[in-house]
Amino acid sequence: GAGVSQSPSNKVTEKGKDVELRCDPISGHTALYWYRQSLGQGLEFLIYFQGNSAPDKSGLPSDRFSAERTGGSVSTLTIQRTQQEDSAVYLCASSKRGDSYGYTFGSGTRLTVV
Amino acid sequence: AQSVTQLDSQVPVFEEAPVELRCNYSSSVSVYLFWYVQYPNQGLQLLLKYLSGSTLVKGINGFEAEFNKSQTSFHLRKPSVHISDTAEYFCAVTQYGNKLVFGAGTILRVKS
Repeated sequence: GAGVSQSPSNKVTEKGKDVELRCDPISGHTALYWYRQSLGQGLEFLIYFQGNSAPDKSGLPSDRFSAERTGGSVSTLTIQRTQQEDSAVYLCASSKRGDSYGYTFGSGTRLTVV
Repeated sequence: AQSVTQLDSQVPVFEEAPVELRCNYSSSVSVYLFWYVQYPNQGLQLLLKYLSGSTLVKGINGFEAEFNKSQTSFHLRKPSVHISDTAEYFCAVTQYGNKLVFGAGTILRVKS
């Protein structure tokens, strides 16, 4: 596609429910990143996928968070048993192989846990 | 580990005035530096990046930044701002390009 697409754009969920956030990167981009943007914490790295390599999960805040990338394209970030502190904007970015410095960000998913 | 400090949380400026948004980084190795802009309810857009070469980097929308290794700074400048430049600006650093470490952001408010 023309840009990085994220869905849904907004999600309101009840505390304790599971949520799935989707990221559709730019076609041909092999690297995909998830970041979280919240008040008081700024922009935090969550996870990074590069091609078929094992993902860098070092930024995931707890074992309630997981992500997968199917077929080297679409990625899903799953948050289990959501807590109020999970409320944030979740941003996805992608880049081409060999151009890891040329990230393109999506518009994000605003998650509100009530 | 790298870290980024944006020294001003908010910068108010009048339209057509010059502006400088300050960014300092800390790293024990060579890094690559970026400035991103975020308009309300939108994702991040790359303004400019420093990878190597000339320390003065020109970006989109008339912005430029200067890499100063001795002062570990990468300040963003624009000689004349417009109302449309009102947004939040983020400085970021990466060592290997696999993950960016961001500063806390600076809100630029351009007043008429």
